[in-house]
Amino acid sequence: SQKIEQNSEALNIQEGKTATLTCNYTNYSPAYLQWYRQDPGRGPVFLLLIRENEKEKRKERLKVTFDTTLKQSLFHITASQPADSATYLCALDHNQGGKLIFGQGTELSVKP
Amino acid sequence: ETGVTQTPRHLVMGMTNKKSLKCEQHLGHNAMYWYKQSAKKPLELMFVYSLEERVENNSVPSRFSPECPNSSHLFLHLHTLQPEDSALYLCASSQDPGGSYTFGSGTRLTVV
Repeated sequence: SQKIEQNSEALNIQEGKTATLTCNYTNYSPAYLQWYRQDPGRGPVFLLLIRENEKEKRKERLKVTFDTTLKQSLFHITASQPADSATYLCALDHNQGGKLIFGQGTELSVKP
Repeated sequence: ETGVTQTPRHLVMGMTNKKSLKCEQHLGHNAMYWYKQSAKKPLELMFVYSLEERVENNSVPSRFSPECPNSSHLFLHLHTLQPEDSALYLCASSQDPGGSYTFGSGTRLTVV
C-alpha cells in the first residue's frame, strides 16, 4: 500500500544547529514533493516545492533534497532559531493528479 | 491572513444539528480542497473541486456534503455528525493541479 513516513518522534535541537527532517515514501511515483510548516491551531503554510528532476532546492536557511531512487526527501533548516519551532509536513502529489497526500508531520523544537 | 478565509474558527454542534463551514479565496485559484485533520494523524483529503466541478470524493460519509457555487467559495454542509468527526477542518486552494496549496486557518469542530 502507499505510505508516507516522517519521524514520528519530536526533534529537539539547540539554537544555531542544523535541523534535518526526513520524509520517506513507498509505492508512489510523485512528480514533485512539497514541504509545509504548521503552527498549533493553524493551517499549514507552504515552504518549498521540489520536482522529481531536481536534486536540491534552497530558500534562505532552508534546503530540500529529493532522491527518487531512495524514495526520500530531506528537509534542512540551518542556523535554527526558536521561531522555527513548529510541525513540518511533507506532501507529495498522488498519481500526478495534483492532489496532495500528506505525511503525519515531525514536530521540531529549537531551544535557546 | 493567507488569502483563504474560513468561518467559523470554532464550532460546537450536537449530533442532531445541521451546520455549514465556509471557505473563501480571492487568489484567483482554480482548485479548492477540504481536508480533515485529527490529532496525531495526517491530513485526510476529503473533497477536491477544480473549476467548480467536484473531481474527487475520498470515500467521505454522506453526512458531509460539499458545495462549490463558484470558484471563490466552498462550503461543507454537516448533518447528524458523530463525536469522531470532531477535528480541524482545513480548506485549501491552488492555482491549478501541481502547484502549492494555500490553506485557511481551519475550523475547529467539536461534536457533542
